[in-house]
Amino acid sequence: AQSVSQHNHHVILSEAASLELGCNYSYGGTVNLFWYVQYPGQHLQLLLKYFSGDPLVKGIKGFEAEFIKSKFSFNLRKPSVQWSDTAEYFCAVRRTTGGFKTIFGAGTRLFVKA
Amino acid sequence: DAMVIQNPRYQVTQFGKPVTLSCSQTLNHNVMYWYQQKSSQAPKLLFHYYDKDFNNEADTPDNFQSRRPNTSFCFLDIRSPGLGDAAMYLCATSTRRAGDNEQFFGPGTRLTVL
Repeated sequence: AQSVSQHNHHVILSEAASLELGCNYSYGGTVNLFWYVQYPGQHLQLLLKYFSGDPLVKGIKGFEAEFIKSKFSFNLRKPSVQWSDTAEYFCAVRRTTGGFKTIFGAGTRLFVKA
Repeated sequence: DAMVIQNPRYQVTQFGKPVTLSCSQTLNHNVMYWYQQKSSQAPKLLFHYYDKDFNNEADTPDNFQSRRPNTSFCFLDIRSPGLGDAAMYLCATSTRRAGDNEQFFGPGTRLTVL
């Protein structure tokens, strides 16, 4: 069955530290890839997405992610985090065939210390 | 602003007492989804509609039903809530266009079962 794994459930960083959150998926076909973010008290919103083309995609607020097809990975990165990046981050994968189902990872809670 | 609205934000019900959660959207998206999210877990897809076409996930309990009377509205009915159904319920929408089908989420309804 298709699955999405996020390696870290909780991450604590100091401001200005670099961030990398891991995401791996199990489906072998063509996929669309997403990172969603949920700030405290707010709803889930899109951070960035990959559909095709350049495997390095840039999103809002200085985030980027790299799709490495051979590793089935879509890791999220930010060179210098801010306190306002404290949130929960979800990786999600959608097959391009067979409907609209999107599988979410369990999420990573990031806490940035000021 | 175009958005996804969920009502109520908090719902308390008694064990076995039917409850209905509602979702509306002003985005005019073809696809609407219902997810169940329990604490520290990934959002789990219950079902989705592509226009009027209903798609139930294989592991969604029969206790959960849905209605979509028109493009804008979608309802989640829980016929006989059990303690295990206490969770956050998320509604989301998307287009069906390739390359443009990220999901837009509502704020969620937190269901408590007494």
